[in-house]
Amino acid sequence: EAGVAQSPRYKIIEKRQSVAFWCNPISGHATLYWYQQILGQGPKLLIQFQNNGVVDDSQLPKDRFSAERLKGVDSTLKIQPAKLEDSAVYLCASSLGPNSNQPQHFGDGTRLSIL
Amino acid sequence: GENVEQHPSTLSVQEGDSAVIKCTYSDSASNYFPWYKQELGKGPQLIIDIRSNVGEKKDQRIAVTLNKTAKHFSLHITETQPEDSAVYFCAAANDYKLSFGAGTTVTVRA
Repeated sequence: EAGVAQSPRYKIIEKRQSVAFWCNPISGHATLYWYQQILGQGPKLLIQFQNNGVVDDSQLPKDRFSAERLKGVDSTLKIQPAKLEDSAVYLCASSLGPNSNQPQHFGDGTRLSIL
Repeated sequence: GENVEQHPSTLSVQEGDSAVIKCTYSDSASNYFPWYKQELGKGPQLIIDIRSNVGEKKDQRIAVTLNKTAKHFSLHITETQPEDSAVYFCAAANDYKLSFGAGTTVTVRA
């Protein structure tokens, strides 16, 4: 079974620029998550989708971050404009369903550096 | 919200010895406790999980214990090998939302 695919693997931009990340979940997984992992910390949930609807975006800085999952499969996460504190690894995860009976599986992430 | 504390932050063990990582959580409603292993440049990989109706679970050299009364859970790795070197994260979930600990960097010395 193919895992969660993310691209790009690395991105370097200057502050105030915009950036987008892409995620393709495991086939058949209805639930998709975006996490932010700052160096030396555990992942922090930004947003959760169930199919193409948002379940939880309470930790998403909505003034600069946006995410969509239009057809209930692939998802994109965008940052505009980027700030220095956005330097982190952005991880995508997916699971069969939205509750804790279904373990989350992570991709390898996109490492974002803001200059 | 849920707060998960993880100790120690770093752990160095001799190959063949055991490693133990401990976590505490704050939300008594949490019912799912996974452990992830993260290697350099990779995403977290689920290695074992335990649910609140179980006190202990074992998978080969890895075991996890849960004490709901004290709100703490632990990861035990026996007969450590060099490939066990990585960062390990505990997490706790109430229904679906995972809250992670800060991680433990485990180094296995040959």
